[in-house]
Amino acid sequence: GAVVSQHPSRVICKSGTSVKIECRSLDFQATTMFWYRQFPKQSLMLMATSNEGSKATYEQGVEKDKFLINHASLTLSTLTVTSAHPEDSSFYICSARAPGQGNQPQHFGDGTRLSIL
Amino acid sequence: AQTVTQSQPEMSVQEAETVTLSCTYDTSESNYYLFWYKQPPSRQMILVIRQEAYKQQNATENRFSVNFQKAAKSFSLKISDSQLGDTAMYFCASIIQGAQKLVFGQGTRLTINP
Repeated sequence: GAVVSQHPSRVICKSGTSVKIECRSLDFQATTMFWYRQFPKQSLMLMATSNEGSKATYEQGVEKDKFLINHASLTLSTLTVTSAHPEDSSFYICSARAPGQGNQPQHFGDGTRLSIL
Repeated sequence: AQTVTQSQPEMSVQEAETVTLSCTYDTSESNYYLFWYKQPPSRQMILVIRQEAYKQQNATENRFSVNFQKAAKSFSLKISDSQLGDTAMYFCASIIQGAQKLVFGQGTRLTINP
């Protein structure tokens, strides 16, 4: 089946550091990828929709300059948390949907646990 | 606007029992899809079952089945012969045909006790 790989799985870094998270579709081309944030014991919150070759679409309240998204190829989208602070600590999950699959289920990465000290 | 509501924050049953998780949704669209996802402690998101709104027959996947009541906008998940490995957060989700965004419910934390 379709597989989405997310890396790294865990990041611990100092406040002020920028952190890059990668999301790769391993066996299909993903024109659209999604980035979610999940707080403990809560649901997934969509942050932005990443479109290959164009600008990402951010959800209301999500700072585009804080969370930089790049979707430069059909198999890779990256989320960069710039100048991270402790309040950015969270679990980040990406998902992808192959083109032409209509409303087939999204395939999720295993997530990245980000801890800012 | 599309919304998904799970009214049971937590549930707990004994192993081998049957448990039903509730989900209601609201949409003005006629063509949409519904999903149940499982998120175990490892935090992977695993698709459990999906239902196309145009299908009247309830979807079934082994021990997992749904009760899809379109008029009532209800989409409950029944887990039969529950197992310890079923312990997880369960999320109900929906997406309108042609749309990109998957809308999630708040989740239900299910614990299966030995």
